[in-house]
Amino acid sequence: EVQLVESGGTLVQPGGSLRLSCAASGFTFTTYWMAWVRQAPGKGLEWVANMKGVGSEKYYVGSVEGRFTISRDNARNLLYLQMNTLRADDTAVYFCAREATLTPYNFDYWGQGTLVTVSS
Amino acid sequence: QSALAQPASVSGSPGQSIIISCSGSGSDIGTYNRVSWYQHHPGKAPKLMIYEVIKRPSGVSNRFSASKSGRTASLTISGLQAEDEADYYCCSYVPGGPYAFGTGTKVTVL
Repeated sequence: EVQLVESGGTLVQPGGSLRLSCAASGFTFTTYWMAWVRQAPGKGLEWVANMKGVGSEKYYVGSVEGRFTISRDNARNLLYLQMNTLRADDTAVYFCAREATLTPYNFDYWGQGTLVTVSS
Repeated sequence: QSALAQPASVSGSPGQSIIISCSGSGSDIGTYNRVSWYQHHPGKAPKLMIYEVIKRPSGVSNRFSASKSGRTASLTISGLQAEDEADYYCCSYVPGGPYAFGTGTKVTVL
């Protein structure tokens, strides 16, 4: 059974840093692109970043480029999102999602999310 | 990338059919057959309902169907059930994006 479990969300002050983790199980982690998607309070979903299964190919939405870094530890089946210089508008539930491999450009499994609150 | 436009809410009685629209542009929905739909019960993990415009993943009820015409994709829920009450999001591949999500539609079962 595919499982994605996010952790690391908490209250952080503006300008602060935070690292989110996503523990993956039930599938061959290295085969899949993985992504972070967020949902601000009362808002819709927004793709944040994604990363290829093997190698360093990665992409970001413009609003986080230069502040957030996506990475993965394939030996431990972990996906990370390092978030620096956090702003109030980064407040959101952050979801880890697996990108389908045979039929790309959709997310076939998601975690339940972890809440990041940026506030003083 | 701009969000795709969806109605904020759609409602229907049990057993009825409803349609949720998702409007994009010529550079996303209008060009690529990479439209997916997600069901999200708040506090839970979103669930893939439709991919590549019309395809249903294994395990998704055949009460869910979808289509595309020009720059607009649509999700139809037939035989509406209480468990279908949730938020629904469309998503399209966007060159340079690579993803644009819809604004989301809250489905209410009356």
